[in-house]
Amino acid sequence: NAGVTQTPKFRVLKTGQSMTLLCAQDMNHEYMYWYRQDPGMGLRLIHYSVGEGTTAKGEVPDGYNVSRLKKQNFLLGLESAAPSQTSVYFCASRPGGSRGTGELFFGEGSRLTVL
Amino acid sequence: EDKVVQSPLSLVVHEGDTVTLNCSYEVTNFRSLLWYKQEKKAPTFLFMLTSSGIEKKSGRLSSILDKKELSSILNITATQTGDSAIYLCAVVGGTSYGKLTFGQGTILTVHP
Repeated sequence: NAGVTQTPKFRVLKTGQSMTLLCAQDMNHEYMYWYRQDPGMGLRLIHYSVGEGTTAKGEVPDGYNVSRLKKQNFLLGLESAAPSQTSVYFCASRPGGSRGTGELFFGEGSRLTVL
Repeated sequence: EDKVVQSPLSLVVHEGDTVTLNCSYEVTNFRSLLWYKQEKKAPTFLFMLTSSGIEKKSGRLSSILDKKELSSILNITATQTGDSAIYLCAVVGGTSYGKLTFGQGTILTVHP
């Protein structure tokens, strides 16, 4: 009964280091999303994917890259971490097309601190 | 670009009070508006409102969509300390591949 799983859940980086956040879903959902959450700013979309092999930019994509090589996985990469990327990151998924009700299914979040 | 604004940003009440949270939006080809509750971790789904379903109710929570005013309210009656959370409003537009645009959230604190 896993749903959406994010790893790691916590990470501390130094400025300039790189890392990858992994999101895995076992619900066969077509659409996957990466959001970041900062105090007072709600959830802001970084990148999203509407299917295996596709990715698209959201509203705050700078400094991040993503890949969707397998339908069940959506990776978020930081090539050179900056303190401004300190945040809580949420992955979410939903069925595509008419099967989707609009509801997103969220992972439990990954807290990233960049020193 | 789609935009969602929530008010108030924070609210402190006592148990038993009734609260109303507001959400206004600007979106191209509106499809749906969703309310989520977020406690310590991931947001959890509360309601989805569409043109064909403008009012929803579940226990002490209810929500109404006003398409004319481009807004929605979330009402919580007889509040309990367990209602303390961040309440997030989000909208889906017609050309957005189902991606949700979220508001800033309302932080609700319910004191005993």
